[in-house]
Amino acid sequence: RKEVEQDPGPFNVPEGATVAFNCTYSNSASQSFFWYRQDCRKEPKLLMSVYSSGNEDGRFTAQLNRASQYISLLIRDSKLSDSATYLCVVNMGTSGSARQLTFGSGTQLTVLP
Amino acid sequence: NAGVTQTPKFRVLKTGQSMTLLCAQDMNHEYMYWYRQDPGMGLRLIHYSVGEGTTAKGEVPDGYNVSRLKKQNFLLGLESAAPSQTSVYFCASSPKRDTQYFGPGTRLTVL
Repeated sequence: RKEVEQDPGPFNVPEGATVAFNCTYSNSASQSFFWYRQDCRKEPKLLMSVYSSGNEDGRFTAQLNRASQYISLLIRDSKLSDSATYLCVVNMGTSGSARQLTFGSGTQLTVLP
Repeated sequence: NAGVTQTPKFRVLKTGQSMTLLCAQDMNHEYMYWYRQDPGMGLRLIHYSVGEGTTAKGEVPDGYNVSRLKKQNFLLGLESAAPSQTSVYFCASSPKRDTQYFGPGTRLTVL
């Protein structure tokens, strides 16, 4: 079983749609959680951190469910520019003080005009 | 600030050749990392460093060596390249928090 698992997609949605991605993680002791965005042939960039109480940044909402060990990302009113691969990232805190992150394989989103 | 830069951007090697990838950051970050990204597998940690003069193995260290002689630089070496090392290599750095900042990547092909 992968440590961080995501539905690879692809998700093809029309502009203006709402789309949700889920991610599950295997280590219940995981400490922190993130969503990164990666455009085609580019480096990953932090989209948002995920907090236990849930958090929102404009059209993006992230939720964490520690009991079920899953994280979600909701995108409202999708834009063409949202087309990218979304990476679920978990700090499993397995190596002392080193800030090691475990990356999911990513979910590909294409927003269609 | 340039952030995180990587040199070179592209490289083609023959099996058995050696090369060094250079990562540089100008954000005074303590932590630096080398990842490889392969289709369907996500980013996998090769080696990392928690400060100048220190290095440690990640998830897939075999066939690679690293050095961090200066705080701002993190070098990844391939002593004898193999076709299985064909990949996209990303360097990242972070302060003593979780957020990692990535360089633009190096696309390596080993024939």
